[in-house]
Amino acid sequence: GAGVSQSPSNKVTEKGKDVELRCDPISGHTALYWYRQSLGQGLEFLIYFQGNSAPDKSGLPSDRFSAERTGGSVSTLTIQRTQQEDSAVYLCASSRSGGGTEAFFGQGTRLTVV
Amino acid sequence: KQEVTQIPAALSVPEGENLVLNCSFTDSAIYNLQWFRQDPGKGLTSLLLIQSSQREQTSGRLNASLDKSSGRSTLYIAASQPGDSATYLCAVHRGNAGNMLTFGGGTRLMVKP
Repeated sequence: GAGVSQSPSNKVTEKGKDVELRCDPISGHTALYWYRQSLGQGLEFLIYFQGNSAPDKSGLPSDRFSAERTGGSVSTLTIQRTQQEDSAVYLCASSRSGGGTEAFFGQGTRLTVV
Repeated sequence: KQEVTQIPAALSVPEGENLVLNCSFTDSAIYNLQWFRQDPGKGLTSLLLIQSSQREQTSGRLNASLDKSSGRSTLYIAASQPGDSATYLCAVHRGNAGNMLTFGGGTRLMVKP
């Protein structure tokens, strides 16, 4: 596609439910990033995928968070047993390769846990 | 650990002024530095990418410079317009932070008509 696409754009869920957030990167981009932006806070790194390499999961805040990238393209971020502190905007980005290439972001998914 | 700082945190200027936003980072071993713009409730829009071997990049009224050895970058906006009002973020790639982009806290810019 023309840009990074994320769905849904908004998600309201009840505390304790699981949610899945989807990211479609720009076609041909091998690197994919997930970030979280809480209200009034900066961007917090979550996870990074590069080609067929093992993902860098060092930013995932707890074992309730996981992500996968199927076929080197679409990625899904899953949050299990959601908590109110998980409420944030989840942003996905892709770049043509890893370090040194321009990163492009999607519009984000606004997650609200009630 | 790579740390990125942006000063000022907020800036309000009248339309037509030239302005400079500052970004500093602690680890000079970077691949690149990227400037983004974020409008309220939106994602990030890439403005300029400077590779570690470059000194500056220009796009329209925007000029970004990079001094890797001192860990600094500036974003210069010429002849500011109300439509430039947004939060501006800088991010560095690599250093000791691994594969992620490390972001500064942003500068919230308001350009008054």
